[in-house]
Amino acid sequence: QLQLQESGSGLVKPSQTLSLTCAVSGDSISSGGHPWTWIRQPPGKGLEWIGFIYQSGNTYYSPSLQSRVHISMDRSRNQFSLKLTSVTAADTAVYYCARVRVPPGSVVSYYFDSWGRGTLVTVSS
Amino acid sequence: SYKVTQPPSVSVSPGQTARITCSGDALPKQFAYWYQQKPGQAPVLVIYEDSERPSGVPERFSGSSSGTTVTLTISGIQAEDEADYYCQSTDSSGTYPVFGGGTKLTVL
Repeated sequence: QLQLQESGSGLVKPSQTLSLTCAVSGDSISSGGHPWTWIRQPPGKGLEWIGFIYQSGNTYYSPSLQSRVHISMDRSRNQFSLKLTSVTAADTAVYYCARVRVPPGSVVSYYFDSWGRGTLVTVSS
Repeated sequence: SYKVTQPPSVSVSPGQTARITCSGDALPKQFAYWYQQKPGQAPVLVIYEDSERPSGVPERFSGSSSGTTVTLTISGIQAEDEADYYCQSTDSSGTYPVFGGGTKLTVL
């Protein structure tokens, strides 16, 4: 059974870097054939996609965050990570990692079939 | 940037049918997906590829598509269906996924 578990600092100071890791069990991030993703949700608000990482290591980021985001993978540990630089209070959110599915077809589409439980990151001095 | 739009809230009595809509210009050619999120929990996929139901999701959940609007229908509403529901799709070029703002379903 696929399980994803987020971990990292729950409190980050403004202007510093947010760092999170998603440990995956039940699937291989480097050979399972699926991209992996980070999604966040500010308190009381909706979901926001942050970015993907493919098993090749290629990454794609939200246009609104791409100047501050970096997603990487550690194949030996079967985990992938998120770094978000120069954080502000607006980056306070629950951060989720998830597995991405890409349905076959001529039009590229994405969805998220398994999610971690999420971890709250607060940006505050 | 591309957006999909949902109503902020829908209310329905137990046993009735709830319909939650999602509109977006790319929906005629892009699939829509629906997630249920209960307080303090991660979202759960309830509909994929407009109308397919993952295993384990009750049959009372269904999805449909017509033009630029997709609809999540929940029949025979139960108290446990009270949750936030998010529509999600992809921009027309298949570059990035987008979420709707979410619809709070209240069971009266």
